[in-house]
Amino acid sequence: DGGITQSPKYLFRKEGQNVTLSCEQNLNHDAMYWYRQDPGQGLRLIYYSQIVNDFQKGDIAEGYSVSREKKESFPLTVTSAQKNPTAFYLCASRLPEAFGYTFGSGTRLTVV
Amino acid sequence: AQSVTQPDIHITVSEGASLELRCNYSYGATPYLFWYVQSPGQGLQLLLKYFSGDTLVQGIKGFEAEFKRSQSSFNLRKPSVHWSDAAEYFCAVMYNNNDMRFGAGTRLTVKP
Repeated sequence: DGGITQSPKYLFRKEGQNVTLSCEQNLNHDAMYWYRQDPGQGLRLIYYSQIVNDFQKGDIAEGYSVSREKKESFPLTVTSAQKNPTAFYLCASRLPEAFGYTFGSGTRLTVV
Repeated sequence: AQSVTQPDIHITVSEGASLELRCNYSYGATPYLFWYVQSPGQGLQLLLKYFSGDTLVQGIKGFEAEFKRSQSSFNLRKPSVHWSDAAEYFCAVMYNNNDMRFGAGTRLTVKP
């Protein structure tokens, strides 16, 4: 079945360490997105990519980085510069001609 | 600035009762409108979407939503709520074919 796979589901990180969240899709979607979700704040856009080797900053890109070397993969790195990284992270994708997003099941990152 | 408002943070209804979740948006033109549902620790699932045409749209799981241009609203309804509908619901709008904005969400609790 086609879908988006995010791994790991739970991730713990020590302060000062970088960590990479994986997002893989087999839907042949061109556009991919990373959102951060905090209680009471809905989803906020971190980065998005519309084609391979291209990506743009969203509303809260500071302290994060991404790459898009393959159509199927859009990993997110949470760097030590991100001051409050504990959150639930969601990856999504879509085709250009369709407007709804398909979401992964998320990664919960906790800084310890 | 474009925004999406879900005025109700938390709603409790009895099983079998009707449900209406409110959503208002702020934008100069009619955006594309969506409702998503999220179970705890999971990604978002698309319930329904509105692009144009009939202002009453039907979705999955017995949900429907009505677009009212004069009120800039896209409220979600269900005639009879089931215990399995307990979840968080997000209204979202898409501008310029790429920029999707989410409301802060409404958490639904269903009483037996």
